[in-house]
Amino acid sequence: GAVVSQHPSWVICKSGTSVKIECRSLDFQATTMFWYRQFPKQSLMLMATSNEGSKATYEQGVEKDKFLINHASLTLSTLTVTSAHPEDSSFYICSASGASGDYEQYFGPGTRLTVT
Amino acid sequence: GENVEQHPSTLSVQEGDSAVIKCTYSDSASNYFPWYKQELGKGPQLIIDIRSNVGEKKDQRIAVTLNKTAKHFSLHITETQPEDSAVYFCAAKSGQAGTALIFGKGTTLSVSS
Repeated sequence: GAVVSQHPSWVICKSGTSVKIECRSLDFQATTMFWYRQFPKQSLMLMATSNEGSKATYEQGVEKDKFLINHASLTLSTLTVTSAHPEDSSFYICSASGASGDYEQYFGPGTRLTVT
Repeated sequence: GENVEQHPSTLSVQEGDSAVIKCTYSDSASNYFPWYKQELGKGPQLIIDIRSNVGEKKDQRIAVTLNKTAKHFSLHITETQPEDSAVYFCAAKSGQAGTALIFGKGTTLSVSS
């Protein structure tokens, strides 16, 4: 099946700094990529949807200036958490889908962010 | 937008018993309904999915049923084993390009031996 990787798998940063998370589709071209956030013992909450070469569409309540998403190629999307605070500590999971009409979303292994 | 409700939130069964998890969705345009298993610290893993042109699908000990009229779908696990213990999520989306999966709140399944 299609493989999606994320890097890093875990990261610790200090409050006020920025951190970038990469999401790659390894064996297919990802027309659309999705970013989810998951707090402990909760569900996956959609943060934003991005199409290659276009600006991301953010869900209500997600600050686009704080969570910068770039989808510059069909195999790479990045999420940058700017001026991170402890409340941004979470499990960030990316997902990708291929061509139009492809129902399945392929999930990455997730990135654990801890802000101290 | 889509809203997915999932029940129960926790489920404890004895090894060998069956487990059933139920979900309802709100958007009649949704036509793809996957189920995921998530282990601690890992991303969700697809275990089975169903599309709206099918009422039931089975894969060994796992089956999913869909009732489009009632807008609900269920996961059935038979002959449960301790390694089935995990958090299970249902999700729904439409087939339109660019639409995202919306997840239920999850069910923590514990299988005791």
